[in-house]
Amino acid sequence: AQTVTQSQPEMSVQEAETVTLSCTYDTSESDYYLFWYKQPPSRQMILVIRQEAYKQQNATENRFSVNFQKAAKSFSLKISDSQLGDAAMYFCAYRRGFWQGGKLIFGQGTELSVKP
Amino acid sequence: EAGVTQFPSHSVIEKGQTVTLRCDPISGHDNLYWYRRVMGKEIKFLLHFVKESKQDESGMPNNRFLAERTGGTYSTLKVQPAELEDSGVYFCASSQRGASLHTDTQYFGPGTRLTVL
Repeated sequence: AQTVTQSQPEMSVQEAETVTLSCTYDTSESDYYLFWYKQPPSRQMILVIRQEAYKQQNATENRFSVNFQKAAKSFSLKISDSQLGDAAMYFCAYRRGFWQGGKLIFGQGTELSVKP
Repeated sequence: EAGVTQFPSHSVIEKGQTVTLRCDPISGHDNLYWYRRVMGKEIKFLLHFVKESKQDESGMPNNRFLAERTGGTYSTLKVQPAELEDSGVYFCASSQRGASLHTDTQYFGPGTRLTVL
């Protein structure tokens, strides 16, 4: 069975600084997808970034980028130029290959606070 | 475009009672998922509908949980009878049925916080 681990329950960053959230996963499959979701306080969870396992290039979305290390089964999220609005719970998630069903397997979450 | 909505936002019931949670997916989304997060732990998958059919219900904890999606639109998740360990936040998500991962992005609702006393 696949598992996702986020070892940092809480993280803190100064506004405008950079922070990296860690995520590791375990799978024996070669085809899968990885995601970072963000849940701001009292708001809906939204997709931040996604990575296809077959792609070597790390995904980037504006200030958000990932460091995908397939051999190490690591998928960290880097937030550059942190803003107050980045404060949220961040969840790392795994999904099996596209035709294997859509369920997401989540990590425990990392609560990020941003200090002004 | 309206997002995924869930009702109620909060529910407090006593052990042994019945509660029904509702999820309205984004219009046109064939895929509907239920997840729950218990006591600050990881979010866990419960089940997946494709239209009105249950595609995967491997995450349903026991037969006290019953999910339906009549007509392939909204879905309900009934817990009967509720137990203390059922407390948590129940999330619903929906996605289109597409040919690429980009159209299969899951959009989440705000969740229903269930407290069983």
